[in-house]
Amino acid sequence: EAGVAQSPRYKIIEKRQSVAFWCNPISGHATLYWYQQILGQGPKLLIQFQNNGVVDDSQLPKDRFSAERLKGVDSTLKIQPAKLEDSAVYLCASSLLFGSGYNEQFFGPGTRLTVL
Amino acid sequence: KQEVTQIPAALSVPEGENLVLNCSFTDSAIYNLQWFRQDPGKGLTSLLLIQSSQREQTSGRLNASLDKSSGRSTLYIAASQPGDSATYLCAVWDSNYQLIWGAGTKLIIKP
Repeated sequence: EAGVAQSPRYKIIEKRQSVAFWCNPISGHATLYWYQQILGQGPKLLIQFQNNGVVDDSQLPKDRFSAERLKGVDSTLKIQPAKLEDSAVYLCASSLLFGSGYNEQFFGPGTRLTVL
Repeated sequence: KQEVTQIPAALSVPEGENLVLNCSFTDSAIYNLQWFRQDPGKGLTSLLLIQSSQREQTSGRLNASLDKSSGRSTLYIAASQPGDSATYLCAVWDSNYQLIWGAGTKLIIKP
């Protein structure tokens, strides 16, 4: 079974530029998560999708971050414009169901973003 | 608001030693607790998941325990090896089935 795919793996941009990350979840997984992990910290949930609907985006900085999951499969996360404090690893995860008793999340390798 | 703390932030031990990593959480109303391993550039790998009704889980040289009443979990690694070097993260599942994470313990096993 293929895992969660993310691209690009690394990205370096100047502040105020735009950047987009792509995630392809495990086939058949209804729930998709985007996390931000700043160096030395645990991951922070940015947005959670159930199929193509948003379940939780309470920690997404909506003035600069946006995310979509068209057709309930792939997802993109965009930052526009980027700030220095956006430097982090962006992790995508997927799980089979949401709200079930056993809802293990599977993680992609992440995208390391450096904003100069 | 649930908070998860991991102590120590970093740990370096000689190969072959047994070691314990600690995780504490402020709200005992958790659904599950999960331990992950994070290797640079390789994302997160789930090691053990303890359901709220369980006290411990074992996988090979790893044993994780859970004491909900005291808000604590430990990850015990037996006979450590250099390949165990990684960052270990603890996460609790809250009532919304979302993961609340600790900052991790960076473990270095010296050959």
